[in-house]
Amino acid sequence: QQPVQSPQAVILREGEDAVINCSSSKALYSVHWYRQKHGEAPVFLMILLKGGEQMRHEKISASFNEKKQQSSLYLTASQLSYSGTYFCGTEYGGNEKLTFGTGTRLTIIP
Amino acid sequence: DTAVSQTPKYLVTQMGNDKSIKCEQNLGHDTMYWYKQDSKKFLKIMFSYNNKELIINETVPNRFSPKSPDKAHLNLHINSLELGDSAVYFCASRRGRGESYNEQFFGPGTRLTVL
Repeated sequence: QQPVQSPQAVILREGEDAVINCSSSKALYSVHWYRQKHGEAPVFLMILLKGGEQMRHEKISASFNEKKQQSSLYLTASQLSYSGTYFCGTEYGGNEKLTFGTGTRLTIIP
Repeated sequence: DTAVSQTPKYLVTQMGNDKSIKCEQNLGHDTMYWYKQDSKKFLKIMFSYNNKELIINETVPNRFSPKSPDKAHLNLHINSLELGDSAVYFCASRRGRGESYNEQFFGPGTRLTVL
């Protein structure tokens, strides 16, 4: 089953913060976060493993709540370059297959 | 140097035709994937190969046939193309057998349009 992301879309002014959530109906083994700009390929941001630490990539961080079967991506002091569609990819039991979420479209305006 | 490359970038063809998309990675990875991204931007896995062995085969029409001549290449052949096959197809690769701590690297995508 495809993980559900929320919100579906968000518009921010440069410098504002955002949170993107990824919820699964099944127990998660790992969560991968990717960003895709229009007309381009998805680009890796970070991986969170079951039992692992919260990860950080520049001003973007993420957490993994195993009990809630959910991961959240935190974008702090957003920059114009953060615009794009964010996807979480979930793995169940480390079975090598990523199931990507429904996507969250983020638009940053000056 | 391009890490994961795909050809062609665009493919426009008529219904019923047969077409192929090629993918090559120069990262030395052992695992390669094909994904389909539809008009709603849903990204769905189709196939995965590890060292030329098929390890993931999702519910995909048998008109789609992947082929991996070696671990650096994974091609996708589609027979009897249908309108619903129109999408962007992404190839990706990953180190090892796909261990969870390894990221996937995506190719630039092939936009297939079936008329």
